[in-house]
Amino acid sequence: GQNIDQPTEMTATEGAIVQINCTYQTSGFNGLFWYQQHAGEAPTFLSYNVLDGLEEKGRFSSFLSRSKGYSYLLLKELQMKDSASYLCAVRNTGGFKTIFGAGTRLFVKA
Amino acid sequence: NAGVTQTPKFRVLKTGQSMTLLCAQDMNHEYMYWYRQDPGMGLRLIHYSVGEGTTAKGEVPDGYNVSRLKKQNFLLGLESAAPSQTSVYFCATAARLGGETQYFGPGTRLLVL
Repeated sequence: GQNIDQPTEMTATEGAIVQINCTYQTSGFNGLFWYQQHAGEAPTFLSYNVLDGLEEKGRFSSFLSRSKGYSYLLLKELQMKDSASYLCAVRNTGGFKTIFGAGTRLFVKA
Repeated sequence: NAGVTQTPKFRVLKTGQSMTLLCAQDMNHEYMYWYRQDPGMGLRLIHYSVGEGTTAKGEVPDGYNVSRLKKQNFLLGLESAAPSQTSVYFCATAARLGGETQYFGPGTRLLVL
């Protein structure tokens, strides 16, 4: 079967660092994506990992361990505008289908 | 460039009515997808297309039909709407396999009474 797990909600303080974890089980793996989705809006792309290791892009970093079926998204220097849902998604072998997790709602407080 | 657009933005239907949602893209992408998003369940794939004239079933295809007569358009049809189809529908496109992300339209909110 296919399954993606991530925490439902997290709260963090402005200026701090937060790590959002994602674990997955899929029949085949061809890349892991993180998307940001503000309330009432469409998801937007944040990061893509296909090999093990850390990918850094400004304040956001994403890590992947394929052997553990594990990824995390790291957000540094949190800003109020980072309050949003963060979706972990895994693309299957063959590439046509991407399975999404339910998302983690992040609340950034002052 | 408009990117990915969806029509309509919001619609209210009565049970049993039919409607078509339109997704249009001007990015010349081969792959197009229809998802629904429900609270606590994430995005679920309804149908997808890997090119003009092709369609395939996703995770939750029942009650929906699709057509891709032109490369730039992907239509999602509900023949007989049910309250369980109340959801937010997102269209997405992708250029090719590999590292390319999907680009999402703004969504269509559908309420079936």
